[in-house]
Amino acid sequence: SQQGEEDPQALSIQEGENATMNCSYKTSINNLQWYRQNSGRGLVHLILIRSNEREKHSGRLRVTLDTSKKSSSLLITASRAADTASYFCATDGGGYQKVTFGTGTKLQVIP
Amino acid sequence: NAGVMQNPRHLVRRRGQEARLRCSPMKGHSHVYWYRQLPEEGLKFMVYLQKENIIDESGMPKERFSAEFPKEGPSILRIQQVVRGDSAAYFCASSPLRDGNTEAFFGQGTRLTVV
Repeated sequence: SQQGEEDPQALSIQEGENATMNCSYKTSINNLQWYRQNSGRGLVHLILIRSNEREKHSGRLRVTLDTSKKSSSLLITASRAADTASYFCATDGGGYQKVTFGTGTKLQVIP
Repeated sequence: NAGVMQNPRHLVRRRGQEARLRCSPMKGHSHVYWYRQLPEEGLKFMVYLQKENIIDESGMPKERFSAEFPKEGPSILRIQQVVRGDSAAYFCASSPLRDGNTEAFFGQGTRLTVV
């Protein structure tokens, strides 16, 4: 079964608005990663947050991690049309980089 | 330092043929992971390899699929006697370390279409 479940499955916002995506997972993790995938393309790594971290920033991205609730959120501020993509969370397991992906959130940013 | 290179980018095979997908990890990376992505779905783990060793193949179908990562050359994911349901994007990732504290770098994927 999937380890990560993203919510919502799809999100449509106007350019300039903020986009928030959530991810819940089931078992203990060492770290959680967020990836972006443009339609028909490969994965782009966005950010990695370790289990002992609660929040991390990278440019317009803000990721939070709540290990007690087994959940993470990705916030994209001041969204742009170029942010239109699918966003996946991925959790590690087994002590190595075998990551388990959720089904993703499809974000559409309308110019 | 080139990223993870996968080839071909697109592969079309007729039912019953063999598909060979190649992955060259980033320089210095000795850990390779293969994932499959069906249309409109997330990536599913298939197999984890180190040089000349299969570490975890728990996500690999028991029949028709095999993977290798030889001492020299790229990692190969081989699908024998392909069926329509094998049509998917296959992604390879590499990492330098065994532990889970570094990101995995993904290739652009090979899109397999079985006709």
